[in-house]
Amino acid sequence: DVKVTQSSRYLVKRTGEKVFLECVQDMDHENMFWYRQDPGLGLRLIYFSYDVKMKEKGDIPEGYSVSREKKERFSLILESASTNQTSMYLCASSHSSDSQETQYFGPGTRLLVL
Amino acid sequence: AQSVTQPDIHITVSEGASLELRCNYSYGATPYLFWYVQSPGQGLQLLLKYFSGDTLVQGIKGFEAEFKRSQSSFNLRKPSVHWSDAAEYFCAVGAGNTGKLIFGQGTTLQVKP
Repeated sequence: DVKVTQSSRYLVKRTGEKVFLECVQDMDHENMFWYRQDPGLGLRLIYFSYDVKMKEKGDIPEGYSVSREKKERFSLILESASTNQTSMYLCASSHSSDSQETQYFGPGTRLLVL
Repeated sequence: AQSVTQPDIHITVSEGASLELRCNYSYGATPYLFWYVQSPGQGLQLLLKYFSGDTLVQGIKGFEAEFKRSQSSFNLRKPSVHWSDAAEYFCAVGAGNTGKLIFGQGTTLQVKP
C-alpha cells in the first residue's frame, strides 16, 4: 500500500511565524503535490513537484514556498503565516506526470493561525 | 480552461436508498476523470477513474460512474447506500500532461438511519 504521511495532524501558529509542513511518501513517486482544502472551494493546488529540486506553481502559490531536496519528501513553507492561511493542507503523490495516474493523499494537516 | 462543477453541495439520503452524485466538467480533449472520497478527518481515497474504454466504470465500495461525453458529465452512483458512506465526495479531471488534477467543490453526503 502507498503511504503518504504528514508531519502533524493539527497545528496552531501565530501570525508572522514561519511554518513548515512536511510530507513523506514511501512509493518512490516522481510527483508530489500540496493542496489546501476550504469549505465550498474543494481542493486548490498550491505547488507541485515532478522531480527532486523541481517545483511548479499551482493555482494559489502566493504566500507559500516549497522544498524538495529528496525524492520522498516535499515540504510546504509559510514564510510569514497569516490568518487567511488557516486551512486544511493535503499532500499527495503520484507515480508520474501521466494524467491517468492516481494521486495518493496523506491524512491532512489542519492549521490554525491566530 | 478546465473546470469541474459539482452542483450539489450537500445531499441527504436514507440508508438503503440509491444515490447519484453529479459532476460536470469542462475540458477540450478526452478527459481523465476521477472520483475521490474523504471520510471525516481523513485524506482522500480514490473510488474510481475513467480514462478510456467502457463508459461505465466500476469502483470500490460498490460505487460506479458513467462517463457521458454529450453531457460533459461523470455522475457517481450507488444502488444502496450504507451509513458508512457518509463522507465528502470529490470529482476531478486530469489536466493535460502534468499529472495535475482539477477538483470540484465537493458534495457532502449525509445518510439517515
